Amino acid sequence: DSGVTQTPKHLITATGQRVTLRCSPRSGDLSVYWYQQSLDQGLQFLIQYYNGEERAKGNILERFSAQQFPDLHSELNLSSLELGDSALYFCASSVDWGQVGELFFGEGSRLTVL
Amino acid sequence: DAKTTQPPSMDCAEGRAANLPCNHSTISGNEYVYWYRQIHSQGPQYIIHGLKNNETNEMASLIITEDRKSSTLILPHATLRDTAVYYCIVRSLTNNNDMRFGAGTRLTVKP
Repeated sequence: DSGVTQTPKHLITATGQRVTLRCSPRSGDLSVYWYQQSLDQGLQFLIQYYNGEERAKGNILERFSAQQFPDLHSELNLSSLELGDSALYFCASSVDWGQVGELFFGEGSRLTVL
Repeated sequence: DAKTTQPPSMDCAEGRAANLPCNHSTISGNEYVYWYRQIHSQGPQYIIHGLKNNETNEMASLIITEDRKSSTLILPHATLRDTAVYYCIVRSLTNNNDMRFGAGTRLTVKP
């Protein structure tokens, strides 16, 4: 158990819909990272937050958005869903930003778009 | 823009050492080498990281060449449970210190 909690674990929805994935980082961790893993794309970095502020952005689509709240939990919002958005979405957390420490990953949220 | 190159797959016999290579020829002086693994579809698991010196922990050893352009992850006594995809990642601690994964090496430990 990494200490990172992601909900829901599984989600099935239809094209055009909007979903929200939630991540609670490990206690004390200030940085949150989001990743997407689909069968043909590997593990793609989406976005990183540190203490509520966006710090790095990867291959995140404009239909996707994220935020980190004052209690440090984070949400990834996916809208106008397409079949290709079906994937595992992982959240990870780390203590700080710009430090050597490791990232701790949650078990992921599996999104299926029908 | 992949910063690392790894073989797509490797096999290893159970009980033997597994040596997983990684090339990172464009690594900068302030970039660390990290290794993670992912078993089936679980969340990636941290293994080890290093800057320039060789490192060892309870899971593995990391050997970094003197010019830092390549490294090798060593699992000293591979077990069937070590079957996983192993990712070598180069990470900067300045500017963007995000962790970007490549395709990794799929290690299969065989009995």
